Amino acid sequence: DIQMTQSPASLSASLGETVTIECLASEDIYDILAWYQQKPGKSPQLLIYDASSLHTGVPSRFSGSGSGTQYSLKINSLQPEDFASYYCQNGLSAPRTFGAGTKLELK
Amino acid sequence: EVQLVETGGGLVQPGKSLKLTCATSGFTFSNAWMHWVRQSPEKQLEWVAQIKAKSNNYATYYAESVKGRFTISRDDSKSSVYLQMNSLKEEDTAIYYCTWDIGTTYFDYWGQGVMVTVSS
Repeated sequence: DIQMTQSPASLSASLGETVTIECLASEDIYDILAWYQQKPGKSPQLLIYDASSLHTGVPSRFSGSGSGTQYSLKINSLQPEDFASYYCQNGLSAPRTFGAGTKLELK
Repeated sequence: EVQLVETGGGLVQPGKSLKLTCATSGFTFSNAWMHWVRQSPEKQLEWVAQIKAKSNNYATYYAESVKGRFTISRDDSKSSVYLQMNSLKEEDTAIYYCTWDIGTTYFDYWGQGVMVTVSS
């Protein structure tokens, strides 16, 4: 199975700041990677797919990048609704595996 | 509007069984590949099972952690997917989500989840 290692596990930031979350795959996943956002008490929601493509309706302050085994999610100008947990997901091969998540909290 | 609604969760003793149901609407269910994904109390997400469409002979796939104990099935006439869970273990305690992938390798739509607690 492909292991997905996310960092940091938690992150404190202020409104308007820019943050970056990292995801490291145990092998090359050829950009077949998704990012999900999960708010407390809610189900995860797809944010980005194929490493850098925004899902329908996702604000442009979110962006994804990376290649090979290293990927990142960047959120520009943090808004109140962005404070949530974020997960990366390997889409290249079964089983589809997830990172352990990053909890983004308001400083 | 796409909707996925899970039911059937609850508290169950180790070794017992439970069946989850996911009722769907808002899309052509008969063509859809459906999944169950669970989230542990530690918030780790884990893909559990997949069932493909009739055109794919309803092929099923399972995570190693549940293979031989869980069975995914579907009823296209009811636009529903099921997860029969037998020989439950405490480590199966989680929120179980029904998800749909629209033909990509990602989970495009999720239900609200249903809690399953395995404890004596």
